[in-house]
Amino acid sequence: AQSVSQHNHHVILSEAASLELGCNYSYGGTVNLFWYVQYPGQHLQLLLKYFSGDPLVKGIKGFEAEFIKSKFSFNLRKPSVQWSDTAEYFCAVSGNKLVFGAGTILRVKS
Amino acid sequence: GAGVSQTPSNKVTEKGKYVELRCDPISGHTALYWYRQSLGQGPEFLIYFQGTGAADDSGLPNDRFFAVRPEGSVSTLKIQRTERGDSAVYLCASSNTGPTYNEQFFGPGTRLTVL
Repeated sequence: AQSVSQHNHHVILSEAASLELGCNYSYGGTVNLFWYVQYPGQHLQLLLKYFSGDPLVKGIKGFEAEFIKSKFSFNLRKPSVQWSDTAEYFCAVSGNKLVFGAGTILRVKS
Repeated sequence: GAGVSQTPSNKVTEKGKYVELRCDPISGHTALYWYRQSLGQGPEFLIYFQGTGAADDSGLPNDRFFAVRPEGSVSTLKIQRTERGDSAVYLCASSNTGPTYNEQFFGPGTRLTVL
């Protein structure tokens, strides 16, 4: 069975700080990996995805994630966060269904 | 173009009542998904439709939950004899084809409160 673990439930950063959100998954087959984001009052939307190829994936708004197969990880990074990055971030893995982690609430202080 | 829409946005009901939640997917999307999101948790898979048929209903918690998609477009999630533990946000998503390689587009959700 697929499962996803996100390391931090709440993260508070100041603007311009660097961000790394941890995500580990468990799945026996070929995985496809996603990060979704939910801004306050908005729908869940896709931030970035990994299917195959270059394990360093770039997404919208300056976010990137690195797939490390040996560590079963897909951590999300951003070199310099902005106040507008305040949101909840969900890591998800897709085998035959999409399974989400519990989410990380990021608050960026201006 | 229009995204995924869900109605109602909020539903308050009493324990034991029957509720229906509706989802309108993005036009042309053959795959439709229902999820349930409880407070402090990520979305939890309930059921996946490919066209009119339920391709995977392994996430439905029990037989009080049922979903249909009779014409391969709009879907309705039906909950019988609601319980307080059913209170959650119910999310609908759609995608071009199946779940494995495709981005799912989410609706705003229906917040269900069972008193």
